[in-house]
Amino acid sequence: QVQLVQSGAEVKKPGASVKVSCKASADTFTNYHINWVRQATGQGLEWMGWMNPNSGATGYAEKFQGRITMTRNSAITTADMYLSSLRSDDTAVYYCARAGNSGFDSWGQGTLVTVSS
Amino acid sequence: SFELTQPPSVSVSPGQTARITCSGDALTLQFVYWYQQKAGQAPVVVIYKDTERPSGIPERFSGSSSGTTVTLTISGVQAEDEADYYCQSSDSSGSWVFGGGTKLTVL
Repeated sequence: QVQLVQSGAEVKKPGASVKVSCKASADTFTNYHINWVRQATGQGLEWMGWMNPNSGATGYAEKFQGRITMTRNSAITTADMYLSSLRSDDTAVYYCARAGNSGFDSWGQGTLVTVSS
Repeated sequence: SFELTQPPSVSVSPGQTARITCSGDALTLQFVYWYQQKAGQAPVVVIYKDTERPSGIPERFSGSSSGTTVTLTISGVQAEDEADYYCQSSDSSGSWVFGGGTKLTVL
């Protein structure tokens, strides 16, 4: 099973942008969509968007349209999620997750993004 | 987009059966997935496509569907099952949505 390893915690000021990376441990993402999900402290899971690593096609939740971008590197071993115009309520743990045949079957360990002045 | 509604909490004693529901108008058309999330950990899928159980998930976890409501059933609940549970589904455009989550407390 693919293991997903995410980049480390980030602290950002309001209005800034953040990049969170997600790397496959031993294989590429090519056959499955990569999704991003976030979770504020004590809150539920919130789906943010998906990316087809092969084509680069993306689909974003309406809430994040205009602020979010998902990309992958040319070797298709790393997926990146960019979120701009950060606000305090963007403070959350951000997860990447692979959409396999049995749902989101592999998850990264999570990346804490803190937005604070 | 659409919404999935779960009860905020369910409490059962060890050995009893826990049932967690998930309701949504679109559920007659799309599959539902269930995730277990323990404190400080990433979610783990326990049921996919309404009723299927991934390998490694105990048999006491099962799923069912009836109309616009799907149910996660945990038979013979154990202390280790205490966690938050989330249902998930998609719409016709490929967007995903999670239910609000249900905290399962084992008394």
